[in-house]
Amino acid sequence: AQSVSQHNHHVILSEAASLELGCNYSYGGTVNLFWYVQYPGQHLQLLLKYFSGDPLVKGIKGFEAEFIKSKFSFNLRKPSVQWSDTAEYFCAVKDPGGYNKLIFGAGTRLAVHP
Amino acid sequence: NAGVMQNPRHLVRRRGQEARLRCSPMKGHSHVYWYRQLPEEGLKFMVYLQKENIIDESGMPKERFSAEFPKEGPSILRIQQVVRGDSAAYFCASSYGGATDTQYFGPGTRLTVL
Repeated sequence: AQSVSQHNHHVILSEAASLELGCNYSYGGTVNLFWYVQYPGQHLQLLLKYFSGDPLVKGIKGFEAEFIKSKFSFNLRKPSVQWSDTAEYFCAVKDPGGYNKLIFGAGTRLAVHP
Repeated sequence: NAGVMQNPRHLVRRRGQEARLRCSPMKGHSHVYWYRQLPEEGLKFMVYLQKENIIDESGMPKERFSAEFPKEGPSILRIQQVVRGDSAAYFCASSYGGATDTQYFGPGTRLTVL
């Protein structure tokens, strides 16, 4: 079965630091990949998505992610974080077994200190 | 364009009572998904519905849980005879469907079972 791993459960950074959150999936075929963010007390919002084409995907709020097929990875990056980026970040992959359900990683809690 | 709406946002039930969670998809979306988020865990798929049809219920517990998406009105996730282990955040997502299907999430319903 498809699975998603987010190895960093908690990350603490200072403002202006660079961010990279890891995401690895298990399926070797064609994949659709997503990053969602959940700000405190709010619902999940789509940051970016990858279906095909350019493996470097630009998202909202200065985030980007790179799809590396050989490494089964879709890491999220931001060159300079802000206090307002404090949130929980979820990587997800569409289940290749059919239908449209998403399989989520456990999430990474990011705390950015001023 | 209104987003995905869920109500209630918070629901408290005593053991043995019924919980009804409602989800109104984004305008134009005919696909609805329900996910459950237990404390310190990522979202887990429960069920995928289109109007009047259950497409995939592979993530639904076999007993006490049911879902519907009638021709008119919101999608309903129903939990009968709730137990403490049902305490969680329940998120609904909606989409257009199709090859580049992207799910947009509601604010969630936080169920607490006393």
